[in-house]
Amino acid sequence: EAQVTQNPRYLITVTGKKLTVTCSQNMNHEYMSWYRQDPGLGLRQIYYSMNVEVTDKGDVPEGYKVSRKEKRNFPLILESPSPNQTSLYFCASSLGLAGGPILNEQFFGPGTRLTVL
Amino acid sequence: AQTVTQSQPEMSVQEAETVTLSCTYDTSESDYYLFWYKQPPSRQMILVIRQEAYKQQNATENRFSVNFQKAAKSFSLKISDSQLGDAAMYFCAYEMDSNYQLIWGAGTKLIIKP
Repeated sequence: EAQVTQNPRYLITVTGKKLTVTCSQNMNHEYMSWYRQDPGLGLRQIYYSMNVEVTDKGDVPEGYKVSRKEKRNFPLILESPSPNQTSLYFCASSLGLAGGPILNEQFFGPGTRLTVL
Repeated sequence: AQTVTQSQPEMSVQEAETVTLSCTYDTSESDYYLFWYKQPPSRQMILVIRQEAYKQQNATENRFSVNFQKAAKSFSLKISDSQLGDAAMYFCAYEMDSNYQLIWGAGTKLIIKP
């Protein structure tokens, strides 16, 4: 089954304790992205990757890191989480340059609910 | 900078009726794409419908259709014959042709009354 998986789905942690949220897709997509969703703000892009070893900042990258060593994986790293990073996080992927606009639908993971105390 | 505005935080409609959700956007680009995504209580983001800006014909997917007015920068979603399963948050999103970045509206919560 074609899908984007994220782990963990729920996480409660404390300020300053490094954490990683994993994201993996099995569709051979080139493009991957991380978003955070906050009430009243919609989704905001944190980082995106057009292909392996290529990452770029989105609108709200502060406090986050990513890496893209393999095509299928795009982990989100919070080196020193703070309470303002409490949010719902989504990973998404799409064909990117390999597809045209018709095929460039972004597929979303199930979301990770993060609470930083 | 591109922005997307959904002016209706919440809408309600009687089951089997028709409802229209509004979305406006601001851009100086000529080529772009517009999407409506649905987020049910399960939180999963589900693509409802998409529209290429260079196409004048409005997109349709079964009970879902859009009214795309490029000059007015308006992209409304019409849901016909509303069903209980349509209850969800609906997000309008704009994608630039150049880098696939999605810019999102704040969402509209749709309530279906039985």
